[in-house]
Amino acid sequence: DARVTQTPRHKVTEMGQEVTMRCQPILGHNTVFWYRQTMMQGLELLAYFRNRAPLDDSGMPKDRFSAEMPDATLATLKIQPSEPRDSAVYFCASGLVIGQWVFGANVLTFGAGSRLTVL
Amino acid sequence: DQQVKQNSPSLSVQEGRISILNCDYTNSMFDYFLWYKKYPAEGPTFLISISSIKDKNEDGRFTVFLNKSAKHLSLHIVPSQPGDSAVYFCAASDTGNKLVFGAGTILRVKS
Repeated sequence: DARVTQTPRHKVTEMGQEVTMRCQPILGHNTVFWYRQTMMQGLELLAYFRNRAPLDDSGMPKDRFSAEMPDATLATLKIQPSEPRDSAVYFCASGLVIGQWVFGANVLTFGAGSRLTVL
Repeated sequence: DQQVKQNSPSLSVQEGRISILNCDYTNSMFDYFLWYKKYPAEGPTFLISISSIKDKNEDGRFTVFLNKSAKHLSLHIVPSQPGDSAVYFCAASDTGNKLVFGAGTILRVKS
């Protein structure tokens, strides 16, 4: 059963520290999304990649957040420095896009999330 | 500016009855809509979708209705079961682009 793997599952850190979250998308998927779940905003889109190239990162605070795909099997989301307001659950999702979205078979598959607490 | 809105934070329904979850959107370019379900400590999982060329799509106990003129969609669950208790997210996309999610609705099905 193919799945998206996220690490760490839980992270508690102090304000000002660097945090790196990692995601292994499903093999063969060419599109990776980072979402953040908060009580007020629901699932906020932070950034997404297609074929490892960033397509949109307008949802990310640029001064402290960065997202990369060093290779097809790894996506990273880094926060430096972290702040208490960054506390949330961060989800990675992957999907296969050929041309335009073909939903049904190619919907996004989410990882279990990384719960970040910044004290 | 939230383009996808789920105005009911929570809904409580008796087992066996119908659950109706609502979603409104503002972007007229959205042409595909999805519902995801999320259990605690898990990622959201795909439930059902609908294209803008349709006004209804059914899958077992789940039916999604789309009213394009009102920019409104709803998810009906009949009959509701305790295992349906979860957070339900509505999502929308314009073709070839990103998925935008709503804030979610917590559904509690009481036995």
